[in-house]
Amino acid sequence: ILNVEQSPQSLHVQEGDSTNFTCSFPSSNFYALHWYRWETAKSPEALFVMTLNGDEKKKGRISATLNTKEGYSYLYIKGSQPEDSATYLCAQDSNYQLIWGAGTKLIIKP
Amino acid sequence: NAGVTQTPKFQVLKTGQSMTLQCAQDMNHNSMYWYRQDPGMGLRLIYYSASEGTTDKGEVPNGYNVSRLNKREFSLRLESAAPSQTSVYFCASMGPNGQPQHFGDGTRLSIL
Repeated sequence: ILNVEQSPQSLHVQEGDSTNFTCSFPSSNFYALHWYRWETAKSPEALFVMTLNGDEKKKGRISATLNTKEGYSYLYIKGSQPEDSATYLCAQDSNYQLIWGAGTKLIIKP
Repeated sequence: NAGVTQTPKFQVLKTGQSMTLQCAQDMNHNSMYWYRQDPGMGLRLIYYSASEGTTDKGEVPNGYNVSRLNKREFSLRLESAAPSQTSVYFCASMGPNGQPQHFGDGTRLSIL
């Protein structure tokens, strides 16, 4: 059974500051790593799907990097805004399933 | 652009009642999933269907059954609802080759 871990569990960030958090996953038999953004009372929305070691993807102020050899991915948010407040989930693609981390809850303080 | 459609959005049941949650996707995805989300916990997989005609248990299948009616539809059935099944249920679908999962809006289910 794969184990995907995210840290920190929660994070308070001042509006305007940049931040990042981590997703760790088993590096063996890697296929893909997913990032999702999950706002309260809504459903998760995909941010990125990353497959290649060294890959970096960007969507607006949010970017992610991937290291498949050491088994980690970072999500970066530049210049945090109140609308960035959400839980950020990562998941490893494994044999038709996604193995989910518990998420990092991000709270932006105005 | 309907994506993944779940019905109903809300439901209140009494202990012992049965009901079926419906899910349909219009993206021609092979794989479909049912998750539950409880306070303080992440997504937990109940059942999934890798392709039409197949279903497999996930992390928390007890008390549930599923049917992959066709490629579009994947239903979740509670045969005898219990208060422990009070949760928000999400259906999702996923295409092949590293595509993301697409989620429905969720069904908020309360069992009294």
